[in-house]
Amino acid sequence: DARVTQTPRHKVTEMGQEVTMRCQPILGHNTVFWYRQTMMQGLELLAYFRNRAPLDDSGMPKDRFSAEMPDATLATLKIQPSEPRDSAVYFCASGLVQVIDTGELFFGEGSRLTVL
Amino acid sequence: SQQGEEDPQALSIQEGENATMNCSYKTSINNLQWYRQNSGRGLVHLILIRSNEREKHSGRLRVTLDTSKKSSSLLITASRAADTASYFCATDHSGSARQLTFGSGTQLTVLP
Repeated sequence: DARVTQTPRHKVTEMGQEVTMRCQPILGHNTVFWYRQTMMQGLELLAYFRNRAPLDDSGMPKDRFSAEMPDATLATLKIQPSEPRDSAVYFCASGLVQVIDTGELFFGEGSRLTVL
Repeated sequence: SQQGEEDPQALSIQEGENATMNCSYKTSINNLQWYRQNSGRGLVHLILIRSNEREKHSGRLRVTLDTSKKSSSLLITASRAADTASYFCATDHSGSARQLTFGSGTQLTVLP
């Protein structure tokens, strides 16, 4: 049963600490997305990769956030230094995206981050 | 913003009743999708409707799309307590580099 796997599921850290979230997309999917979900802002697109190349990270605060995809089985989202306003649930999603159409996305269970 | 807006924000119904949720968007789309999110879980894809389609069915789900009004509706028939969740529409906008923009969601509560 293919699924997107995210770690950690929960993370509590103190302000100023580095946080790394990891995602294993579904094998064969060509696009990986990072979304952030908060009550106030809803689901925001932070960054995404196609065939491991970064396509758009305009939704991400550049000074503290970075996203990478070192290989086809791993995507990472790093926050350094973390701030209380970064507290949210971070979702990774993957899909097989065609030139003409974004099809179904498969989401992981999310990483719930609390920054104290 | 290209973000879709769902209406209502919250809906509470009795088991067995039908639930209708609406989504409006601002710019032309390639497709519109509906997702479901149970509390504390990830989003799960329900159904996709393309811009050249007007209606689509999947089990107890019926989705309509009116591109002239830039709106879509999701109907869940004969609702069950297990349908309690948040429902999101997501739009794949023409000209975008193939990504989805999510609406704010409708929280559906089905009372047993």
